[in-house]
Amino acid sequence: SAVISQKPSRDICQRGTSLTIQCQVDSQVTMMFWYRQQPGQSLTLIATANQGSEATYESGFVIDKFPISRPNLTFSTLTVSNMSPEDSSIYLCSVAGEGGETQYFGPGTRLLVL
Amino acid sequence: GQQVMQIPQYQHVQEGEDFTTYCNSSTTLSNIQWYKQRPGGHPVFLIQLVKSGEVKKQKRLTFQFGEAKKNSSLHITATQTTDVGTYFCAGPNRGSTLGRLYFGRGTQLTVWP
Repeated sequence: SAVISQKPSRDICQRGTSLTIQCQVDSQVTMMFWYRQQPGQSLTLIATANQGSEATYESGFVIDKFPISRPNLTFSTLTVSNMSPEDSSIYLCSVAGEGGETQYFGPGTRLLVL
Repeated sequence: GQQVMQIPQYQHVQEGEDFTTYCNSSTTLSNIQWYKQRPGGHPVFLIQLVKSGEVKKQKRLTFQFGEAKKNSSLHITATQTTDVGTYFCAGPNRGSTLGRLYFGRGTQLTVWP
């Protein structure tokens, strides 16, 4: 399985500011995803990060709020823009495993917005 | 829309007792996957079930996929404190980009020594 790292691992931010989360994979992967996990909740898919084109967003998530970059097959960023306390969450990137159906997750970024 | 329901939400057991979590989908699934998330950790892939009626075992963990491919279960025999965590089932988003998953709410397992 791929080794995935995320930066930062955690952050405390003020409302109205933006935070960019980085996801680095140790091998080239076709499919990368960004999830949000609110405290004590399940994982919700934000978007699929596509290399060379715009990300594909799930219902309820928009590009202006969560811009995503995917400059190559090993790296992606997720920005949480104009943050509010409701954005406090764990943000996880993942990559598709062999066969494209299973997923391997990064360690997550724990975000607290005050 | 497509949903994956999981019960119970919480389970507290004494070490050595068995544990089961159940997952139900509103639609037929091409496959179902199970993940474990330790407290403070990230979800880790456990297993994927593909065939109708499939049963797979990993040591004390037994995974089943229903005949109709709409439900699944994870059973842990003789729990240990190392089994603590939240267990999620996940099914693929029907008719969409490969890799997109719907996760169940998860069952948070606590094991008392």
